[in-house]
Amino acid sequence: GAVVSQHPSRVICKSGTSVKIECRSLDFQATTMFWYRQFPKQSLMLMATSNEGSKATYEQGVEKDKFLINHASLTLSTLTVTSAHPEDSSFYICSVEGVTGELFFGEGSRLTVL
Amino acid sequence: QQPVQSPQAVILREGEDAVINCSSSKALYSVHWYRQKHGEAPVFLMILLKGGEQMRHEKISASFNEKKQQSSLYLTASQLSYSGTYFCGTEEAGGTSYGKLTFGQGTILTVHP
Repeated sequence: GAVVSQHPSRVICKSGTSVKIECRSLDFQATTMFWYRQFPKQSLMLMATSNEGSKATYEQGVEKDKFLINHASLTLSTLTVTSAHPEDSSFYICSVEGVTGELFFGEGSRLTVL
Repeated sequence: QQPVQSPQAVILREGEDAVINCSSSKALYSVHWYRQKHGEAPVFLMILLKGGEQMRHEKISASFNEKKQQSSLYLTASQLSYSGTYFCGTEEAGGTSYGKLTFGQGTILTVHP
């Protein structure tokens, strides 16, 4: 069964609105979760590391005020894309690290900003 | 810095073999391999830690040469289900973020009947 659950799987919104994506670790507690973004036919680019109970660590070039991450519990991290614009349209994927170091990915959320 | 994968694409007939390479310019602690089907999230295949070990998952195996900072994924007797994009993910040695992976650009594998 799924180890990581992500919701919604698809979202379409108007430019200027905010969108929240949830990532849940189903099988174990996760003090750390990773958020990736993937543009069509491209690789996965790490956006930020979500840390339970503390601030997220953002990768260079990722605007922390635009991509708000909250990791309030050991099983839930959320990514909010604020004031979304068409260039933010992408496939957003969260992941959790397993006990032997592998990454378990959520199903991904495809965001389309009109 | 992103690891470099080669080739960019491979087309096979069922039963043929393929090798996908992953090369990094940085010292590595581990190399991961994932397969992603179109429109889906990546799925873990295997992880290799420094030590030059080989791993195997069904008819897929991989090696890691830490001195050369390279890893190779070997797909033997390919099946239709092997089709997808293969990504290597590297974790730097001495990195400050445990579990943080940098992914290669991907190799598109297509297996035909």
